[in-house]
Amino acid sequence: QPVLTQSSSASASLGSSVKLTCTLSRGHSKYIVSWHQQQPGKAPRFLMRVENNGDYTKGGGIPDRFSGSSFGADRYLIISDLHLDDEAEYYCETWDSNTWVFGGGTKVTVL
Amino acid sequence: QLQLRESVPGLLQPSETLSLTCTVSGVSVSSRSHCWGWIRQPPGKGLDFIATVCHDGTVFYSRSLQSRASILLDTSKNQVSLTLNSVTGADTSTYYCVSVLDDDGYFHFDNWGQGSPLTVSS
Repeated sequence: QPVLTQSSSASASLGSSVKLTCTLSRGHSKYIVSWHQQQPGKAPRFLMRVENNGDYTKGGGIPDRFSGSSFGADRYLIISDLHLDDEAEYYCETWDSNTWVFGGGTKVTVL
Repeated sequence: QLQLRESVPGLLQPSETLSLTCTVSGVSVSSRSHCWGWIRQPPGKGLDFIATVCHDGTVFYSRSLQSRASILLDTSKNQVSLTLNSVTGADTSTYYCVSVLDDDGYFHFDNWGQGSPLTVSS
C-alpha cells in the first residue's frame, strides 16, 4: 500500500502564502491525493482532491485561497493570503482499492 | 446537507467491546454515491482508518484492526455501526464517522462527524 510523507511543520506570515507537500511512495506516483484541514480542537474537514496531472477539485465552501498542484510523486496544497484561522494541521490521504492511508500531517503556524 | 453524528460510550474498561453508532442525515445510507466509515485519532496523534461499508455490502477494514472490527449499515435507521472487540488502552482515541464519496471511481472522505472521544481505562 502507498505511504504518504509530509513535513511535520510549516510556517508563514499573515497574508503570505504557504505550499504544503505530500509525497507518494515509490510505485504510487500517479495516485490521487485528498487534503483535509483540522483546526485545533475541531474535526477534520475535506479541502480538495489533487490528481497527478495537477487538476484539483475542492469541497463545498472552500475559499479560493486554497489551491492544489502536482509534480511527479508530490501533491501540493497551496494556501494564499494566509489568515489566522488557517493555523491548523493539514493531512493528505489516498485510497488504494481496499484501504485508505493518511500522511502524518503538517502543522501550519501563521506568524 | 449531509450530517454525521456519532454516539460513543465515552469510557470503557479493558477487554470490553466498543459499540459505535453514527446517525446520518441528509443522505440515505443506501445511496450509491457514498460509502460510510470510521476513522480514529489517538490523543495528540494523526488519523487512522478503521473501516468502511458501502451500499452493496462491500466492507473494507484496516489490516491492523480487521480481526477485532465489524462494520454494518442499518438502512431502517439510516445509521452506520462499528463494533471493536477486546479494547485496550491503545484504543483510546477520538472516533470520527465519515462519508466516503465515490468520485468517479476514486473514494475519499468528504464529510466528517464532529468526533467523539473514547477512553479505555480500568
